[in-house]
Amino acid sequence: GENVGLHLPTLSVQEGDNSIINCAYSNSASDYFIWYKQESGKGPQFIIDIRSNMDKRQGQRVTVLLNKTVKHLSLQIAATQPGDSAVYFCAENRRSNTGKLIFGQGTTLQVKP
Amino acid sequence: GAVVSQHPSRVICKSGTSVKIECRSLDFQATTMFWYRQFPKKSLMLMATSNEGSKATYEQGVEKDKFLINHASLTLSTLTVTSAHPEDSSFYICSATARQGSYNQPQHFGDGTRLSIL
Repeated sequence: GENVGLHLPTLSVQEGDNSIINCAYSNSASDYFIWYKQESGKGPQFIIDIRSNMDKRQGQRVTVLLNKTVKHLSLQIAATQPGDSAVYFCAENRRSNTGKLIFGQGTTLQVKP
Repeated sequence: GAVVSQHPSRVICKSGTSVKIECRSLDFQATTMFWYRQFPKKSLMLMATSNEGSKATYEQGVEKDKFLINHASLTLSTLTVTSAHPEDSSFYICSATARQGSYNQPQHFGDGTRLSIL
């Protein structure tokens, strides 16, 4: 499953399928990006980050892709599991912001058993 | 590592009460902490940035006299909602980074405080 465009609010995928969550960021000067996962009633949990000198970074079952040309970021989750159901936020930062993150709207991922 | 603890997790109180929320970094020294507010099904909205030993920097539109922030040590920041009213009801979340002004390090978040003002 994949959401397209400027992040649809909800993405539904079948358990075991791969998920792709997209994010369009706002500022071409941004050079550090993070994906967070937020479960209901909890704070955001760090998933993976990427700096602008890279276009791909892999973690455990997750991959982040960065396309600076079109200011686009994506999070790929392999073999999606029910425990992956949550809201996913992308966040951007740049040196002039000195640590302040700018969060995207968020995408709700629903995993169907 | 990088655990941030927030307390209390839930507060229900009467209008006019002041409420203090604590944010602690448990296993690292947090030179910078951030306070966010989140409405249902919405993204996080930054309220203020607090650096240890100095005054907090508030985002535009956030009343500093309403939301008092103190960051007196490298492991503790507090947010006090003064004379809280029903419109202050929200989910408040703190985060912390280990290095002051570091823009390329992830923020680590607490589990939030659900504030309900009756």
